[in-house]
Amino acid sequence: ETGVTQTPRHLVMGMTNKKSLKCEQHLGHNAMYWYKQSAKKPLELMFVYNFKEQTENNSVPSRFSPECPNSSHLFLHLHTLQPEDSALYLCASSQGEASGSLAKNIQYFGAGTRLSVL
Amino acid sequence: SQQGEEDPQALSIQEGENATMNCSYKTSINNLQWYRQNSGRGLVHLILIRSNEREKHSGRLRVTLDTSKKSSSLLITASRAADTASYFCATAMEYGNKLVFGAGTILRVKS
Repeated sequence: ETGVTQTPRHLVMGMTNKKSLKCEQHLGHNAMYWYKQSAKKPLELMFVYNFKEQTENNSVPSRFSPECPNSSHLFLHLHTLQPEDSALYLCASSQGEASGSLAKNIQYFGAGTRLSVL
Repeated sequence: SQQGEEDPQALSIQEGENATMNCSYKTSINNLQWYRQNSGRGLVHLILIRSNEREKHSGRLRVTLDTSKKSSSLLITASRAADTASYFCATAMEYGNKLVFGAGTILRVKS
């Protein structure tokens, strides 16, 4: 148990559906991240939030919409996805960018949501 | 382009043998980390080495860093079947809290 919980663990959706992925951390961290992991590709950073503010959007298509209502919760809203969006979506957290210590770079990951888009 | 690149892409060894994985990167870094991922699960932080350090140990793990060659290696000694996983290096820049991950090495330890 890493202290980062992702739900659901598995999700199958059609291209016209709207769904949301949820991530919750119980570590008192102030930074949260969304990553996409596809087969045989490096982990792709999608979004970074520091103290609830989005500080990184890695040219992610608008069909992915993140939301960070507080430092403990992060959502990824999905709509009109494509089959190539099928992947493992990982959430992570760390101490915030302002912490000034190496701890800000150590990330704690959830178990991921395995998404299949039909 | 990705910052970290691991080699080999896959490694298969017998239990008890040592496993060595390498990582190369392209820009100046503040620190380099290694993470482990069991199949279909999240990544787990293993060890962090700062840019001014050359070697670090943690249990059966030994990490080296050569900033002149922009490379790092992870050595797992006396491997066990439970070490079977994917291993990723990740680099952190001087500023910010973003990590850039390599493509990973798949390690299989046969019992």
